[in-house]
Amino acid sequence: EVVLTQSPGTLSLSPGERATLSCRASQTLSNEYLAWYQQRPGQPPRLLIYGASSRATGIPDRFSGSGSGTDFTLTISRLAPEDFAVYYCQQYGTTFAQGTRLEIK
Amino acid sequence: QVQLQESGPGLVKPSETLSLTCNVSGGSISGYYWSWIRQPPGKGLEWIAYIYYNGSPYYNPSLKSRVTILVDTSKNQFSLNLSSVTAADTAVYYCARRSSFKFDYWGRGTLVTVSS
Repeated sequence: EVVLTQSPGTLSLSPGERATLSCRASQTLSNEYLAWYQQRPGQPPRLLIYGASSRATGIPDRFSGSGSGTDFTLTISRLAPEDFAVYYCQQYGTTFAQGTRLEIK
Repeated sequence: QVQLQESGPGLVKPSETLSLTCNVSGGSISGYYWSWIRQPPGKGLEWIAYIYYNGSPYYNPSLKSRVTILVDTSKNQFSLNLSSVTAADTAVYYCARRSSFKFDYWGRGTLVTVSS
């Protein structure tokens, strides 16, 4: 069973700054298996990135995904106020990591 | 635009069976996998199960003994049964479409509380 671990647990940044979120898998994954989601309070998760680096429909280009093997990264180039939320990585359409909370500094 | 809507009781007694239905509109249920995911209050996401439109189910090993997922293509809906519930099963339950290893469409979620 693949275990995903995100870091950091909480990230405190200011609007306009760059955010880098990490997702590590317990074993090598095919890139096509790795997705990222954003969840705002009271809302369902929203698909941001799939196949490790492809943006979902309607996702702004300030969001990007990268990585391979066991290490994957979600980068938000310049934080907008609406980007402060919880982010999850997920593999194979099953397992989720525990999430990273992105909060306003 | 595909839309999903969960329905079912918001309160279930301990030891009873939780039953939810997800209605899919704006697209056919055929050709895709359909999934249930839950989120306890203040916690992270847990995948429960998914089912192919032809009826082949796949379960989270940690819940497999208590979970049944079914699909009804004639009604364009799928369902979840979770037996022998406890307070630990209190969560927001989401239905979602699983497409090529990702969940691309989600319902708004329904809170199910387990309490006597």
